[in-house]
Amino acid sequence: EAGVVQSPRYKIIEKKQPVAFWCNPISGHNTLYWYLQNLGQGPELLIRYENEEAVDDSQLPKDRFSAERLKGVDSTLKIQPAELGDSAVYLCASMDGPNTGELFFGEGSRLTVL
Amino acid sequence: RKEVEQDPGPFNVPEGATVAFNCTYSNSASQSFFWYRQDCRKEPKLLMSVYSSGNEDGRFTAQLNRASQYISLLIRDSKLSDSATYLCVVHQTGANNLFFGTGTRLTVIP
Repeated sequence: EAGVVQSPRYKIIEKKQPVAFWCNPISGHNTLYWYLQNLGQGPELLIRYENEEAVDDSQLPKDRFSAERLKGVDSTLKIQPAELGDSAVYLCASMDGPNTGELFFGEGSRLTVL
Repeated sequence: RKEVEQDPGPFNVPEGATVAFNCTYSNSASQSFFWYRQDCRKEPKLLMSVYSSGNEDGRFTAQLNRASQYISLLIRDSKLSDSATYLCVVHQTGANNLFFGTGTRLTVIP
């Protein structure tokens, strides 16, 4: 069974440019999360989807970040415009069932903003 | 205040040593608890769940103290392959949100 797939693995952009990350969760996993991870820190939640509905986006900086999961399967996270402080790893994860507690992570998208 | 607090380490221990990591959480409504392992430049992966009665998986023992809002992970007979960052995770099942600690970095030295 395929795991969570993310792309791109690495992205280098200049500040003020836009960037988008894509995630395809494990088939059948209705809950999808986007996390941000800085070096030496644990993952921090950006947004959580239950199917196509964003049920928790309280930590998403909405002035520059946006996300969508139009058909309740794959998801896109966008940053526009990117700032230097956005350099981090963006992790997508999915969960089988609403309350199992086990997250399956993708390999992450490492963003460097110059 | 952070939802989950962990000592970031690093812990440098010789092979064969026993090492313990601790974690505290702030929200008493937290209902499920986990330890995840993250290798360098890799994604986190579930290591083990933490049950109220304590649980063991080979060389790994996890304990939960709800009264003190405290979770621990004990690794016995450390192996070189145990070198990684160990993330404490609390799950608020009602909100279905998982909160991660900063992680504790372990290096097992030959």
